Amino acid sequence: EAQVTQNPRYLITVTGKKLTVTCSQNMNHEYMSWYRQDPGLGLRQIYYSMNVEVTDKGDVPEGYKVSRKEKRNFPLILESPSPNQTSLYFCASTPVGGTNQPQHFGDGTRLSIL
Amino acid sequence: TQLLEQSPQFLSIQEGENLTVYCNSSSVFSSLQWYRQEPGEGPVLLVTVVTGGEVKKLKRLTFQFGDARKDSSLHITAAQPGDTGLYLCAGVRAGNQFYFGTGTSLTVIP
Repeated sequence: EAQVTQNPRYLITVTGKKLTVTCSQNMNHEYMSWYRQDPGLGLRQIYYSMNVEVTDKGDVPEGYKVSRKEKRNFPLILESPSPNQTSLYFCASTPVGGTNQPQHFGDGTRLSIL
Repeated sequence: TQLLEQSPQFLSIQEGENLTVYCNSSSVFSSLQWYRQEPGEGPVLLVTVVTGGEVKKLKRLTFQFGDARKDSSLHITAAQPGDTGLYLCAGVRAGNQFYFGTGTSLTVIP
């Protein structure tokens, strides 16, 4: 089954404790991205990757890091999480960036930073 | 500041009524996508519009892209409880970056 898988689905942690949210897709898609979703703000793009070893900042990259060492994986890293990063996070993939093709989303990761 | 503003933010209607959701921007987009999101899940694509003035129909849903490619609308005819969900528009700029609207939460009451 074609899918985007995020882990964990839920995480409660404390300020300053490094964490990683994993994202994996099995569709051989080139383009992957991370979003955060907050009430009244919709989804905001954090980082995106056009292909392996190519990453770019989205709208709200501060406090986040990403890497794209393999085509299928695109982890989101919070080196020193803060309470304002409490949010619902989505990973998405698209066959090729710069086209009108649909984004396929994971089911989300709800992060709470205390 | 949001690049794409959606209105209304919340909408609660009776089954059988018609409704329109708007997605507006001052920026030009190369394409505009509409997604629907259910609680606990990621957004799922409904349609992509590419050409200014383009109209696409998906059963009871009609999508239109503005002539200047800055805005879009979603019209639902005879809404049903199964249409309940969060509707999101998303614009593509510079080929690579996606911008999502603020979302419209629709509730259709049986």
